[in-house]
Amino acid sequence: EAQVTQNPRYLITVTGKKLTVTCSQNMNHEYMSWYRQDPGLGLRQIYYSMNVEVTDKGDVPEGYKVSRKEKRNFPLILESPSPNQTSLYFCASSHAHRGPEAFFGQGTRLTVV
Amino acid sequence: GIQVEQSPPDLILQEGANSTLRCNFSDSVNNLQWFHQNPWGQLINLFYIPSGTKQNGRLSATTVATERYSLLYISSSQTTDSGVYFCAQEGGGADGLTFGKGTHLIIQP
Repeated sequence: EAQVTQNPRYLITVTGKKLTVTCSQNMNHEYMSWYRQDPGLGLRQIYYSMNVEVTDKGDVPEGYKVSRKEKRNFPLILESPSPNQTSLYFCASSHAHRGPEAFFGQGTRLTVV
Repeated sequence: GIQVEQSPPDLILQEGANSTLRCNFSDSVNNLQWFHQNPWGQLINLFYIPSGTKQNGRLSATTVATERYSLLYISSSQTTDSGVYFCAQEGGGADGLTFGKGTHLIIQP
């Protein structure tokens, strides 16, 4: 089954404790990205990757890192999480840059206390 | 940047009713998509529809690119249709999809 898989689904952590949210897709998609969803602000892009070893900042990259060492994986790294990074995070992939359709992971609900 | 406006923001309907959700764009349509976010938070891609009309079961969508809007039709609503419906298109941000604020749909039994 074609899918984008994120882990973990839920995470509660403390300020400053490094964490990684994994994302993997099995559709051989070149383009992957991370979004965060916050009440009143909607979904905003954090980082994106057009292919292996090619990553770039989205609209809200501060406090996040990513890597793309393999085509299927695109982990999101929070080196020193802060409470303002409490959010619902989505990983997405699509066949190519700018389309066509995007497929989203199940979401990761992160709480930083 | 590009603006994506959705209406109505909230909609409450009885099971079996039909509904039309609208999405307006401030710029030319580019890779327009409709998503459904279910009550568990999952985002499901419903349609990729940069222009024209598509149908999938009880759902259909129409995009009129020249007039910068798209419509999502839901017929014979079911309680499982509840959730938030987003439209999104490329552009606006550094790269990637710009989302509208969504239409929160509640289908009552």
